[in-house]
Amino acid sequence: ETGVTQTPRHLVMGMTNKKSLKCEQHLGHNAMYWYKQSAKKPLELMFVYNFKEQTENNSVPSRFSPECPNSSHLFLHLHTLQPEDSALYLCASSKIIGQEAYEQYFGPGTRLTVT
Amino acid sequence: AQTVTQSQPEMSVQEAETVTLSCTYDTSESNYYLFWYKQPPSRQMILVIRQEAYKQQNATENRFSVNFQKAAKSFSLKISDSQLGDTAMYFCAFMKPLRDDKIIFGKGTRLHILP
Repeated sequence: ETGVTQTPRHLVMGMTNKKSLKCEQHLGHNAMYWYKQSAKKPLELMFVYNFKEQTENNSVPSRFSPECPNSSHLFLHLHTLQPEDSALYLCASSKIIGQEAYEQYFGPGTRLTVT
Repeated sequence: AQTVTQSQPEMSVQEAETVTLSCTYDTSESNYYLFWYKQPPSRQMILVIRQEAYKQQNATENRFSVNFQKAAKSFSLKISDSQLGDTAMYFCAFMKPLRDDKIIFGKGTRLHILP
């Protein structure tokens, strides 16, 4: 596998379910990101991890819980979601050297539908 | 705060024509990156081209080139010899090359290449 991969590509879940989204980057990067993309809305940054440390939580509800066990893997744990959480969830990664950051590379996304 | 504006929500051109997508941005920074990302119907966000603000030379990648006007804060994307596979949403993006900074995305331009 190359680049940034995400699984599953599609997910349908009920409001009481617990599920997890997985992201893996094969680019040797050390920062990872979760974005939410809803119809007719700009891309929303949710979480940022630099060197496995969470550095950004963009006022995301606690029903979304990120986990970054190492610089190659990122998870988004989902619990008691709402129908308005239905969206495309994109993972991205980038290289950081010292205080300098570089462009982000995106995965194919997980299309989430909450019923 | 930085902003990115794409004034063309939607465009259509015939295959093989040249098309230019507009982007303006606002910043007081002197060192930054600008990007164009493409998101085709498959939904994967793909980095098309990157420009460092300190470089006067416009970036090019095969059929894709930019017109970077730093003083005017303008960063347009030109697609030459357009192909059906260029049909996608195109996002202009701004980033300060700093470790904990975010990419700022425009709202996107939906480009249709017509056969």
